[in-house]
Amino acid sequence: GENVEQHPSTLSVQEGDSAVIKCTYSDSASNYFPWYKQELGKRPQLIIDIRSNVGEKKDQRIAVTLNKTAKHFSLHITETQPEDSAVYFCAASIGGTASKLTFGTGTRLQVTL
Amino acid sequence: DTGVSQNPRHKITKRGQNVTFRCDPISEHNRLYWYRQTLGQGPEFLTYFQNEAQLEKSRLLSDRFSAERPKGSFSTLEIQRTEQGDSAMYLCASSLPGRYGYTFGSGTRLTVV
Repeated sequence: GENVEQHPSTLSVQEGDSAVIKCTYSDSASNYFPWYKQELGKRPQLIIDIRSNVGEKKDQRIAVTLNKTAKHFSLHITETQPEDSAVYFCAASIGGTASKLTFGTGTRLQVTL
Repeated sequence: DTGVSQNPRHKITKRGQNVTFRCDPISEHNRLYWYRQTLGQGPEFLTYFQNEAQLEKSRLLSDRFSAERPKGSFSTLEIQRTEQGDSAMYLCASSLPGRYGYTFGSGTRLTVV
């Protein structure tokens, strides 16, 4: 089955700096890659997603890039703010639907003042 | 309709007891998913429904676990003869057909003592 690896497991950046989180997936059939943000004690929330027919997607300070050849995708957060502090999960889905997501192990992002 | 609702929020049970959790999805969503999340890990897929049909079950879902969605609306997840290893957050999510992106509920945290 699909396997998703995520790095780093923890990331500390100063406010205003950029943060990058990277994921790799194993199954070349995967074609949907969402990113979720989970604050302590709260539910995961979708922040951005990308389909395999595009290489990059941006939404304000957040962007995701996808390299299908290398089977990896990354989350980029620019101008980080303290409220960006949370655990971020990448995920991958096979078969053209979001029927089943395989999640990475998460990255704890800490934005310091 | 304010989102995916899960009850109870917390459940403490003795080993060997049976527990049942309920999930009410967003009303127009016909897909419903169950995931399990342990501390420091990403959510792990358990099962999902399209309307009342259970379309896929993970190998993680032992015979002690059963899920139903009898009328294609709310769903229940039952764990029989609970074990300490069942302690986790059980997350429910729903989505629209053909649409990418889940909406997660706040989860039910199970503690087996």
